[in-house]
Amino acid sequence: NAGVTQTPKFRVLKTGQSMTLLCAQDMNHEYMYWYRQDPGMGLRLIHYSVGEGTTAKGEVPDGYNVSRLKKQNFLLGLESAAPSQTSVYFCASSKGTQYFGPGTRLLVL
Amino acid sequence: AQKITQTQPGMFVQEKEAVTLDCTYDTSDPSYGLFWYKQPSSGEMIFLIYQGSYDQQNATEGRYSLNFQKARKSANLVISASQLGDSAMYFCAMREEVVTGRRALTFGSGTRLQVQP
Repeated sequence: NAGVTQTPKFRVLKTGQSMTLLCAQDMNHEYMYWYRQDPGMGLRLIHYSVGEGTTAKGEVPDGYNVSRLKKQNFLLGLESAAPSQTSVYFCASSKGTQYFGPGTRLLVL
Repeated sequence: AQKITQTQPGMFVQEKEAVTLDCTYDTSDPSYGLFWYKQPSSGEMIFLIYQGSYDQQNATEGRYSLNFQKARKSANLVISASQLGDSAMYFCAMREEVVTGRRALTFGSGTRLQVQP
């Protein structure tokens, strides 16, 4: 039982490049979330999903897209990375309590 | 208006003493949950304790207890018998369960706790 896993752990991008962050959970949770954490701040919600095939915007969705084609996976895409997207990205899943993945550090130059 | 306020950017405590980390919240949702997470220097988010808005008793989990005062909208975390391994960032978070239906968490800005030997 791995819980919530995220790949990659760390990535460096140049401005304008694209990438996809993968989140996987093996707890059969319906709800999944993507958050970002910037220095000195708590986590902020980017997008979330209440079940397979559904997605919705959170507080800071601009510049990101998501997909939930399978219940266990939640993908976060950056189509054209910007330096303002330099952050640590956390995925979480929940049935009640939210459980977080280890995070992905993204640096956009 | 901030929904979760943590007014202590940093706290020091001596090993084996108790410490209280403050958290106040603001919501009009009739049903909500309050959470505390620990984030050590390694970066992962570790769930510590949960309090539901309708729970009559304060939540406890081992050395962690949540001092829930609904009328004052506060949900302070109490760590008893501090250990060096408790040094970390601590985040208070709230889940509003009726208004949005998304059950996502809103986080405070965190408190950095340092336990001194």
